[in-house]
Amino acid sequence: KQEVTQIPAALSVPEGENLVLNCSFTDSAIYNLQWFRQDPGKGLTSLLLIQSSQREQTSGRLNASLDKSSGRSTLYIAASQPGDSATYLCAVRWYSGGSNYKLTFGKGTLLTVNP
Amino acid sequence: DTGVSQDPRHKITKRGQNVTFRCDPISEHNRLYWYRQTLGQGPEFLTYFQNEAQLEKSRLLSDRFSAERPKGSFSTLEIQRTEQGDSAMYLCASSLGGLLNEKLFFGSGTQLSVL
Repeated sequence: KQEVTQIPAALSVPEGENLVLNCSFTDSAIYNLQWFRQDPGKGLTSLLLIQSSQREQTSGRLNASLDKSSGRSTLYIAASQPGDSATYLCAVRWYSGGSNYKLTFGKGTLLTVNP
Repeated sequence: DTGVSQDPRHKITKRGQNVTFRCDPISEHNRLYWYRQTLGQGPEFLTYFQNEAQLEKSRLLSDRFSAERPKGSFSTLEIQRTEQGDSAMYLCASSLGGLLNEKLFFGSGTQLSVL
């Protein structure tokens, strides 16, 4: 079964700290992996997309890495700010065993950055 | 471009009633998705359209659920004979691009509460 797991479920850090969120997936036959941010009661905002042939993507203070062979991705947030507080979701698009266009999401990591 | 719009934002209904939600995608996007999200979970895929064609439905989608996208523009999701287990956030997303690099743009969702 194709599954996405995110650890930890929740994380609380002081402002200014660098942090890493983890995502693991069960099948390495992927098209891409995406990281999203979700604020309470709102929709999702795409942060970074890593194609299967890529190892990492960067946007501002965010860096996402992909290790397809081990089924892992990390989202690194540098110099965290209170405005980074949100739920971060990892989603995978697989090219085997089902719909090519479906994204499978993890349950997310709830991040709280304390001032 | 005002993003993906969903209406209504909130819907409270009694068990057994029918409800319909609307999604207006970003105008040039040819692909449209419906996802469902319950508290503490990641979004789950329900169905997607390429232009006006509904290309896949999740096994999660019972016969009580139907979606349309007439003329490849806006989409509606109808739930007949609602049950308490249908209570969730219903998210719509639209996109443009190929399998490798497609980014989804989500609306703010419709929060359904079935009493």
